[in-house]
Amino acid sequence: GAVVSQHPSRVICKSGTSVKIECRSLDFQATTMFWYRQFPKQSLMLMATSNEGSKATYEQGVEKDKFLINHASLTLSTLTVTSAHPEDSSFYICSAYRDKKLFFGSGTQLSVL
Amino acid sequence: AQTVTQSQPEMSVQEAETVTLSCTYDTSESDYYLFWYKQPPSRQMILVIRQEAYKQQNATENRFSVNFQKAAKSFSLKISDSQLGDAAMYFCAYRSAGGSNYKLTFGKGTLLTVNP
Repeated sequence: GAVVSQHPSRVICKSGTSVKIECRSLDFQATTMFWYRQFPKQSLMLMATSNEGSKATYEQGVEKDKFLINHASLTLSTLTVTSAHPEDSSFYICSAYRDKKLFFGSGTQLSVL
Repeated sequence: AQTVTQSQPEMSVQEAETVTLSCTYDTSESDYYLFWYKQPPSRQMILVIRQEAYKQQNATENRFSVNFQKAAKSFSLKISDSQLGDAAMYFCAYRSAGGSNYKLTFGKGTLLTVNP
């Protein structure tokens, strides 16, 4: 069964609005979670590392003010895309480690109109 | 920085046949992990197999096995008795073993088609 739950699976929003995506580790504590972005027919690109109780670590080129990450508990990390624009449309995936293996959520397809 | 290269954008195989997907990587580290992930049309990332660099024995998971050549920095995936459900995008990935760096570096992927 799934060890990482991600919601929503699909979201459509208007340009200028904010969207929150949740990532939950099921039955285990994840002090570190990761957020990836995937464009069609491309690989996964790491956006940021989410650390429980501290600030997220963003990869070079990722705007921290646009992609807000909150890891307030050991089982939940959230990614908020603020003031979304059409170019933010993408597939977003979270992940967490369990038993030295990285498990992924089912992903969120964001479409910004 | 580590890099992962998958030189085959697309591969195809007949059902029940065997196919090998290639992956090479570049690193100056001696201890690390390598992974193959499968992403079917549902886009759910599924761990196929994991290899620890300090282990010489090649990892095997049922019909999936790897050929890990550390000196050559090669990590190929062999799928035996291919099934229609194996059709997916396959990603090779690298992770350092040291410290608290748990980041995965992915290759660009190989799209596998299984023909009936």
